[in-house]
Amino acid sequence: EAQVTQNPRYLITVTGKKLTVTCSQNMNHEYMSWYRQDPGLGLRQIYYSMNVEVTDKGDVPEGYKVSRKEKRNFPLILESPSPNQTSLYFCASSFGGLNQPQHFGDGTRLSIL
Amino acid sequence: AQKITQTQPGMFVQEKEAVTLDCTYDTSDQSYGLFWYKQPSSGEMIFLIYQGSYDEQNATEGRYSLNFQKARKSANLVISASQLGDSAMYFCAMRVGGTASKLTFGTGTRLQVTL
Repeated sequence: EAQVTQNPRYLITVTGKKLTVTCSQNMNHEYMSWYRQDPGLGLRQIYYSMNVEVTDKGDVPEGYKVSRKEKRNFPLILESPSPNQTSLYFCASSFGGLNQPQHFGDGTRLSIL
Repeated sequence: AQKITQTQPGMFVQEKEAVTLDCTYDTSDQSYGLFWYKQPSSGEMIFLIYQGSYDEQNATEGRYSLNFQKARKSANLVISASQLGDSAMYFCAMRVGGTASKLTFGTGTRLQVTL
């Protein structure tokens, strides 16, 4: 089954404790992105990757890191999480091209205390 | 910079009626794609329909159609014969040429279908 898999689905942690949210896709997509969703703000892009070893900042990259060592994986790293990073996070992937819809994972709800 | 505006935070519609969810966009690019996604209460993002900037006909997918008015920069989603399962958050989004990896989202419209 074609899918984008994120883990964990839920995480409650404390300020400053490094965490990683994994994302994996099995559709051989070139593009992968991370978004955060906050009430009243819609989804905002954090980072994206156009292919292996190619990543770039989105609209809200501060406090996040990513890497793309393999085509299928695109982990999101919070080196020193803070409460303002409490949010619902989505990983998405697609083929290149304007008409290609992005396929989303089921989301990861992070709470930083 | 690209921007998507959804001016209806919430909408109600009776079952079996049609409903239109508004979306306006702003971009200086001539080449772009417009998408609608549905987010039910379970949280996942479901792709519904796509419209390209050069498409001359409005897109349709089953009960979903996109009313694309390029001169007005609007891309409204029309859901015909609403069902209870249509109750969800709906997001309009845009991709533009040159930054095709990014979707710019609106703030969403919460649709509630009533009996």
